[in-house]
Amino acid sequence: KAGVTQTPRYLIKTRGQQVTLSCSPISGHRSVSWYQQTPGQGLQFLFEYFSETQRNKGNFPGRFSGRQFSNSRSEMNVSTLELGDSALYLCASSLVQGYNEQFFGPGTRLTVL
Amino acid sequence: GQQVMQIPQYQHVQEGEDFTTYCNSSTTLSNIQWYKQRPGGHPVFLIQLVKSGEVKKQKRLTFQFGEAKKNSSLHITATQTTDVGTYFCAPNTGTASKLTFGTGTRLQVTL
Repeated sequence: KAGVTQTPRYLIKTRGQQVTLSCSPISGHRSVSWYQQTPGQGLQFLFEYFSETQRNKGNFPGRFSGRQFSNSRSEMNVSTLELGDSALYLCASSLVQGYNEQFFGPGTRLTVL
Repeated sequence: GQQVMQIPQYQHVQEGEDFTTYCNSSTTLSNIQWYKQRPGGHPVFLIQLVKSGEVKKQKRLTFQFGEAKKNSSLHITATQTTDVGTYFCAPNTGTASKLTFGTGTRLQVTL
């Protein structure tokens, strides 16, 4: 089976812009979670989608949003980018929602200038 | 709320030495997962522990879940350069349905 794929792998944006990141889960996986990883804050949970519905949300401002499509592919959007949004954004998929083994993608490295 | 401490933050060992990282919680855990992230890579699932006092082995890696289910450890025997990376615990109290990660322990192994 192909693993989790994320596009793009690298992105450079300027403050105030918005960005959309994409994630394709492992075939058959219906849950997609997003994480932000920074040297200072570590791995932080953003949100989880299952069956096109957001099931869990972390402590991030409303500028961070996401969605999931009927084929389980997911996108996350960050609006009005700030310098502090520079991070590695990781997507993970699993068979079902909630606390279970997560399969991570390679991540999208976002740099905000 | 749940407080999870992962120690140490960083450890540098010579190849062949042993290494242990600990994950300590202020509350009782339902279960716990461990992940490894190589430099420049993404987290990869290692194991999940569920039972009190559980011990699981994967080659040179030994995972333990405390009797009180408030702590867990990962021990690597005779480290190799391939063990380099950051090891994260991801504890679950049973009330939260999402995966949250500890702060991680970065392991450096030199020849």
